Amino acid sequence: AQSVTQLDSQVPVFEEAPVELRCNYSSSVSVYLFWYVQYPNQGLQLLLKYLSGSTLVESINGFEAEFNKSQTSFHLRKPSVHISDTAEYFCAVTPAGFQKLVFGTGTRLLVSP
Amino acid sequence: SAVISQKPSRDICQRGTSLTIQCQVDSQVTMMFWYRQQPGQSLTLIATANQGSEATYESGFVIDKFPISRPNLTFSTLTVSNMSPEDSSIYLCSAPRTSGRHGPPHSLADTQYFGPGTRLTVL
Repeated sequence: AQSVTQLDSQVPVFEEAPVELRCNYSSSVSVYLFWYVQYPNQGLQLLLKYLSGSTLVESINGFEAEFNKSQTSFHLRKPSVHISDTAEYFCAVTPAGFQKLVFGTGTRLLVSP
Repeated sequence: SAVISQKPSRDICQRGTSLTIQCQVDSQVTMMFWYRQQPGQSLTLIATANQGSEATYESGFVIDKFPISRPNLTFSTLTVSNMSPEDSSIYLCSAPRTSGRHGPPHSLADTQYFGPGTRLTVL
């Protein structure tokens, strides 16, 4: 079975500062990894994903995540955050080829001026 | 990305009643999924809705409490039965990657897209 750990329940940062949201997973098989974002009072949106190939994946709004198999991690980073990045971020894993997602507990990113 | 709609977007219900949530996907998919997000918590998978067969429930969830229908490849319903305040949650459906093109419905997909959710409050 797979599991996901997001150690930080809340990460407060100032606008234009860099941020890293941590995600570690546990699995005995190959996995797909995802970051989803949930803005206040909105649904869940896919931010980025790792399926195979390049271990560094990027989103259209400046976030990136790097798959590190040896450390079983998939940390999310952004070099300079905006107020609009304030949201809940969920890391999720599924066995490669399957579709059931296991979610982490989420990290609330709070960006202040 | 997939276009997934849910109805209702929110509801306030009395204890002991039932609510049926509808999920519509803009293209055919083999499997659809139902998740629950309790207040301040992460998402938990309730069940997998397969077209033409009974839903597959995760540990802790039973058909009598959460009956699911899947009449065709683009639609599913989840019913929350005999509700109690503990059922107050956001219920989300999801479906695998679809771009709206007419592709084989049984091919494995690799990304889940989610509906906007149904916010349920039980008094």
